[in-house]
Amino acid sequence: AQKITQTQPGMFVQEKEAVTLDCTYDTSDQSYGLFWYKQPSSGEMIFLIYQGSYDEQNATEGRYSLNFQKARKSANLVISASQLGDSAMYFCAMSAYILIQGAQKLVFGQGTRLTINP
Amino acid sequence: DGGITQSPKYLFRKEGQNVTLSCEQNLNHDAMYWYRQDPGQGLRLIYYSQIVNDFQKGDIAEGYSVSREKKESFPLTVTSAQKNPTAFYLCASKQGNSPLHFGNGTRLTVT
Repeated sequence: AQKITQTQPGMFVQEKEAVTLDCTYDTSDQSYGLFWYKQPSSGEMIFLIYQGSYDEQNATEGRYSLNFQKARKSANLVISASQLGDSAMYFCAMSAYILIQGAQKLVFGQGTRLTINP
Repeated sequence: DGGITQSPKYLFRKEGQNVTLSCEQNLNHDAMYWYRQDPGQGLRLIYYSQIVNDFQKGDIAEGYSVSREKKESFPLTVTSAQKNPTAFYLCASKQGNSPLHFGNGTRLTVT
């Protein structure tokens, strides 16, 4: 079964500093996807970035980048130049294929609460 | 604007009552999902549907039921058999390999 582990329950960072949120995963699938979502206090889940297991380059989206190390099964999120609005819960997730139904679902980690201090 | 609408935002019920959470999408996505989130926890999959008139149980389906009579609608019923129904419920949809697109959630409190 697929599993996502986020070992940092909370992180505190000064504004404008870079921050790395850790994510490790476990799967026996050869093909999978890794996602990061942001959840502000209002509750909605905002998609940030995606990395495919066969992608050779690390994904980047503006201030977000994904440090993908396949051999270590890690997919850390890096936020450069953090802002006060980055304070939120961050979830790492992995796509899991359900072969019988040809379906795909996301398995989520426990999340990391990031607080940006002014 | 296309999106997913969950209503209501807050819902209160007495123990022993069934309650139905609404989820409507106008993204024309085939697949729809229901997740449950408990305080300080990640999301756990309750039910999902890949196509109209078909749905499958997720990891924590006991005490829940769903229907998918229309492509745009995927309501979730929390039955009295669900032992700990108080939680934040998120509906999502996707098409192909696109990321999950979420609604704003419904916070259910059962007393």
